[in-house]
Amino acid sequence: AQRVTQPEKLLSVFKGAPVELKCNYSYSGSPELFWYVQYSRQRLQLLLRHISRESIKGFTADLNKGETSFHLKKPFAQEEDSAMYYCALKGTSGSRLTFGEGTQLTVNP
Amino acid sequence: SAVISQKPSRDICQRGTSLTIQCQVDSQVTMMFWYRQQPGQSLTLIATANQGSEATYESGFVIDKFPISRPNLTFSTLTVSNMSPEDSSIYLCSVVRQGQDTQYFGPGTRLTVL
Repeated sequence: AQRVTQPEKLLSVFKGAPVELKCNYSYSGSPELFWYVQYSRQRLQLLLRHISRESIKGFTADLNKGETSFHLKKPFAQEEDSAMYYCALKGTSGSRLTFGEGTQLTVNP
Repeated sequence: SAVISQKPSRDICQRGTSLTIQCQVDSQVTMMFWYRQQPGQSLTLIATANQGSEATYESGFVIDKFPISRPNLTFSTLTVSNMSPEDSSIYLCSVVRQGQDTQYFGPGTRLTVL
């Protein structure tokens, strides 16, 4: 079975501070990991995926297979980063995604 | 990314009735999915909508309660049957475009059952 855990439902930081949103997964094979973001009154959208190894809006995430983690990081948070963030896993069979419970990030001025 | 629309965007329904939600995509896609997001919870996959054949349902979801159609590569419907207040959720359609493997999501349908 595949499972994604985001231990923090709420995370609050000040503008300019570093931010890390935690994601741990459970999967027996080689998964693909994603971060999706949902800004207020907008649809869910892909932020980044581990196989791309890219930085989007200053966010990065590294897949750590030893720790089964895919934490999302940004060195200097901005107010516009305030949103709901979901970590998601895709297994090797099919395209179905398993989502974590989400972390509501608030960046205070 | 694909342009995905859902109708209706929201509805308030009476217990015992049924509601059909439509998902339309601007281009052909290989896969279409239906998710549910209950209040304060994450997204849960209901089923994979298969073109021209019966949908593939996840554990805990059955065709009698959530019949799904996908008559072509750009359109699908999800019906929530014999609704109860527990069915109050946001229902989302997602798609995977041909030649890609990233899922894109529709805007969602917010359903309230009284």
